[in-house]
Amino acid sequence: DGGITQSPKYLFRKEGQNVTLSCEQNLNHDAMYWYRQDPGQGLRLIYYSQIVNDFQKGDIAEGYSVSREKKESFPLTVTSAQKNPTAFYLCASSIYSPDTQYFGPGTRLTVL
Amino acid sequence: AQSVSQHNHHVILSEAASLELGCNYSYGGTVNLFWYVQYPGQHLQLLLKYFSGDPLVKGIKGFEAEFIKSKFSFNLRKPSVQWSDTAEYFCAVNAPGGATNKLIFGTGTLLAVQP
Repeated sequence: DGGITQSPKYLFRKEGQNVTLSCEQNLNHDAMYWYRQDPGQGLRLIYYSQIVNDFQKGDIAEGYSVSREKKESFPLTVTSAQKNPTAFYLCASSIYSPDTQYFGPGTRLTVL
Repeated sequence: AQSVSQHNHHVILSEAASLELGCNYSYGGTVNLFWYVQYPGQHLQLLLKYFSGDPLVKGIKGFEAEFIKSKFSFNLRKPSVQWSDTAEYFCAVNAPGGATNKLIFGTGTLLAVQP
C-alpha cells in the first residue's frame, strides 16, 4: 500500500523542548516537502528537498530544521527557537518538478 | 513574488446548488495550476490540475476548473453540490522551469453544504 505516512497524529510538547516529526514515503519520489497549515492562512512551505542529502529553506524556515539522509524519509525538527510552533504540519512528496504533490495525513503539534 | 488569492473564505450552500470558487494568481509567466481538497479528517488530495492544453479541466467527483490566462484566474466549479462536498478547498500555483517545484497555496475556502 503506497503512500506517505506521518507520525504521530497528535503530539504534545512543553515549551522549550525540541520535537521531531516523522515523514516516510514509499512512492519512490525524489522530492519531499514540509508545510505548516494554520487556520485562515493556507499552507506555507517550511523546507523542501529535491534529492537525498540536499534541502532548501522555504518561506518560513526559521525555528525548524530537517535532514534527508534517505530517499524515503524527511524528518522535521521543531526547535525551541520557533516562536509559535502549535500548528498542523503536512508532509508531501512528488516525483519530479513540476508535478503533483501527494500529501500525508498530517501531525497536529500542540506546545503547552 | 507569486501569490494566490481565494476571495471566498466561507461558503454555505444547499444541496443541488451550483458552486463556483474563485482563484486568482499573480505571475506573468507560464504556470501550473492545482485545486486540492481536504475533507474532514482526511488527507489533502488533488481535485484537478492544469499544466497545458484545454483550459477547461475536469477533475474527480464532478468538479471542473477553467484557466483564463487574461484574467489570471482558475475558478473551480461544480453544477450541483452534495453534502459530501463539505470540505476545505485550496488553490495552488507553481511556475515550472524554476529551480524548485514550489507550490504557492491560497488561504483556502471552507465549503459547507447543507442537506
